[in-house]
Amino acid sequence: NAGVTQTPKFRVLKTGQSMTLLCAQDMNHEYMYWYRQDPGMGLRLIHYSVGEGTTAKGEVPDGYNVSRLKKQNFLLGLESAAPSQTSVYFCAVREVFSGANVLTFGAGSRLTVL
Amino acid sequence: SQQGEEDPQALSIQEGENATMNCSYKTSINNLQWYRQNSGRGLVHLILIRSNEREKHSGRLRVTLDTSKKSSSLLITASRAADTASYFCATDRVQGAQKLVFGQGTRLTINP
Repeated sequence: NAGVTQTPKFRVLKTGQSMTLLCAQDMNHEYMYWYRQDPGMGLRLIHYSVGEGTTAKGEVPDGYNVSRLKKQNFLLGLESAAPSQTSVYFCAVREVFSGANVLTFGAGSRLTVL
Repeated sequence: SQQGEEDPQALSIQEGENATMNCSYKTSINNLQWYRQNSGRGLVHLILIRSNEREKHSGRLRVTLDTSKKSSSLLITASRAADTASYFCATDRVQGAQKLVFGQGTRLTINP
């Protein structure tokens, strides 16, 4: 998934610990998104950003915070991890083709909270 | 809430057969897209169909859209083992504020 890099790829946390997932893009796109993917639930939008310095809530924002201090980076933070946050997290950037919004995804970050 | 609902949830066919997946949605859309996800990887955009289009082709992919029924189908012809993946529809809603909403996906297995 050239252009969108997520780190780390895997992480195991204990309940109550904090961590930050980093999404970095090299394509200069304005819009960036964080989704989580759970079995049988598809992808659900956590937070998104429409440009540097802006963030907005998605469908399932509780328990997460985000920051977009630099255009290239979109950070997803868990202040106090809970087992319900065990999931695979995907970052995406929006590209526009002929006026339509299309997403390019990173490879994912698998998080396990014990 | 999920906009797109795919069916079937899982589909297993023999190599060379055609695979059809369906997606239903609830609200007015600008376009509908299909993405593929190989195991352990991110989603990859396959094809997009706009609300004023009824059918679109790309290689072995054929997508149809029926806005009156709020449904779409993805047909993969002459399937190959490499087509084994999960397939997701995503809707770009008219009131969607630049956010795509994904369905739960169809897990496709192509048996050699």
